[in-house]
Amino acid sequence: NAGVTQTPKFQVLKTGQSMTLQCAQDMNHEYMSWYRQDPGMGLRLIHYSVGAGITDQGEVPNGYNVSRSTTEDFPLRLLSAAPSQTSVYFCASSNGGGVEETQYFGPGTRLLVL
Amino acid sequence: DQQVKQNSPSLSVQEGRISILNCDYTNSMFDYFLWYKKYPAEGPTFLISISSIKDKNEDGRFTVFLNKSAKHLSLHIVPSQPGDSAVYFCAASDNQGGKLIFGQGTELSVKP
Repeated sequence: NAGVTQTPKFQVLKTGQSMTLQCAQDMNHEYMSWYRQDPGMGLRLIHYSVGAGITDQGEVPNGYNVSRSTTEDFPLRLLSAAPSQTSVYFCASSNGGGVEETQYFGPGTRLLVL
Repeated sequence: DQQVKQNSPSLSVQEGRISILNCDYTNSMFDYFLWYKKYPAEGPTFLISISSIKDKNEDGRFTVFLNKSAKHLSLHIVPSQPGDSAVYFCAASDNQGGKLIFGQGTELSVKP
């Protein structure tokens, strides 16, 4: 049981390039989320999904796209990277809302946009 | 507008003493609160949580207190150990799956 996995661990992009951050979970969780962590800002929600085929925006969705074709995978796409997207990205999954809202996090992807 | 706030960026305590980390929130719709611990270059790991119908939850050395009227929660670590040195985030949920709102984090340093 690997939990939540993320690839790559580290990536350098040039401004304007695109890339996809991968996230997978093997806990059969319905809910998956993407956060970014910046110094002094905590973790901010980018996009989330409550099940396959269903996604919604979080606090900071601009510049990012997501899709959820399977329960296991929730990729995050940067269509045209900007230096402001330099951050550490975390994917998380959980069983549900309310008292089940304990999210389990992956190890993170560190992204540098030059 | 920051709905969850941790006003102390850092805290330093002696080994064996109590560590108290504080968190304030503004949204009265939050009904579930969590604390996460994060080491450098790792993802956050769940530590302890509390439902809004309770005012205290204890798990070993960790206790979370919730004061709904003050919209304030705190995490107590007793006794503190050097391995507790990490960044601690509080987070809140309004019963909508997949969405947690996090505070800015408090870096705890436990000195031997």
